[in-house]
Amino acid sequence: GAGVSQSPRYKVAKRGQDVALRCDPISGHVSLFWYQQALGQGPEFLTYFQNEAQLDKSGLPSDRFFAERPEGSVSTLKIQRTQQEDSAVYLCASSSGLAGDMYEQYFGPGTRLTVT
Amino acid sequence: KNQVEQSPQSLIILEGKNCTLQCNYTVSPFSNLRWYKQDTGRGPVSLTIMTFSENTKSNGRYTATLDADTKQSSLHITASQLSDSASYICVAYSGAGSYQLTFGKGTKLSVIP
Repeated sequence: GAGVSQSPRYKVAKRGQDVALRCDPISGHVSLFWYQQALGQGPEFLTYFQNEAQLDKSGLPSDRFFAERPEGSVSTLKIQRTQQEDSAVYLCASSSGLAGDMYEQYFGPGTRLTVT
Repeated sequence: KNQVEQSPQSLIILEGKNCTLQCNYTVSPFSNLRWYKQDTGRGPVSLTIMTFSENTKSNGRYTATLDADTKQSSLHITASQLSDSASYICVAYSGAGSYQLTFGKGTKLSVIP
């Protein structure tokens, strides 16, 4: 596709439910990032993949959060036993270069998760 | 801890006017600094990327400056348009083996007719 796509765009979950958020990066992009953006805040780093390898997961807030990118393209962010504080927009970004270098990061539209 | 502070938090200007947004960063070591534009309900879109050795970079009506000595950056928007209404986010990257970008909270710009 032309850009990064994410699905679903909106997700409402009851507290305690598990959710799975999908990211389709730009084809051929090596790097994939997940960010969490609370209302009125800037995005915060969650995790980074280089191809299928998860090289940094230091931003994941708890062990309820799990991300994978098994074939080095599509990625899924899973949140188990959702809590109200998990309510946020989850952004995915991909890049043709490696993390932090001068290559652009292209962001998807995000998934807005609301936990009730 | 790496931090990026932006000011003002919000700004309202008349269409056609210029404005300047400010960013102070505490990121060490420092590799590069980026400005992103984020429309409501959309993901951020990159405007500029500057390394520590660059002082200024332009992208159309957007001009970013960087002073690596004082750790300050600014984004100047010329002849504002209604479509410039968005949040503008300053982002710093330290390098040094880190994969993390440090984002500011953004400045919410509203351009009114």
